[in-house]
Amino acid sequence: QKEVEQNSGPLSVPEGAIASLNCTYSDRGSQSFFWYRQYSGKSPELIMFIYSNGDKEDGRFTAQLNKASQYVSLLIRDSQPSDSATYLCADRKVGSARQLTFGSGTQLTVLP
Amino acid sequence: DGGITQSPKYLFRKEGQNVTLSCEQNLNHDAMYWYRQDPGQGLRLIYYSQIVNDFQKGDIAEGYSVSREKKESFPLTVTSAQKNPTAFYLCASSVSRVDEQFFGPGTRLTVL
Repeated sequence: QKEVEQNSGPLSVPEGAIASLNCTYSDRGSQSFFWYRQYSGKSPELIMFIYSNGDKEDGRFTAQLNKASQYVSLLIRDSQPSDSATYLCADRKVGSARQLTFGSGTQLTVLP
Repeated sequence: DGGITQSPKYLFRKEGQNVTLSCEQNLNHDAMYWYRQDPGQGLRLIYYSQIVNDFQKGDIAEGYSVSREKKESFPLTVTSAQKNPTAFYLCASSVSRVDEQFFGPGTRLTVL
């Protein structure tokens, strides 16, 4: 079982819709969770991080963490074609010297 | 203009050659990381360094070497022992005691 799992997609949503990206993790010791956006051929950009159970909002992005169920999600409201990218989920485990473990990413396409 | 720079952007290597990828940051970050990304996959950690003159192996260190002689610089050498080096190499850095990592633009290495 992969430590951090994501549906590879592709996920397609119409412009203006809510895109929902999901990630599950296997280690209950994971402390913090990160969402990165990666455009084709480019390096990852940090979108959000979340440490506590519940929701964290930043503009059109909301990260949701449920430690009991071991999943973290990213919602993108009012999706735009410029949101089309691969979204990478990552976690950090307790005592891991700040190493992040990445999922393989979900490819999102927002259709005009 | 603070940031992380990587050079070269593209690198071609003949089999049996060692090559060195440069990573420099002027963010005053303590920790630096090297990742490898293969097509359709997430990032895998090669090496990381939390302080000058100290570094640790990540998940896939075989065939790679690093040095950390200066806080700003963390070069990666891909040796001839690395059997399948063609990949996208990403350098990242972070502030000490903070989990969020920020990435450079990457180097795309191709073995001819």
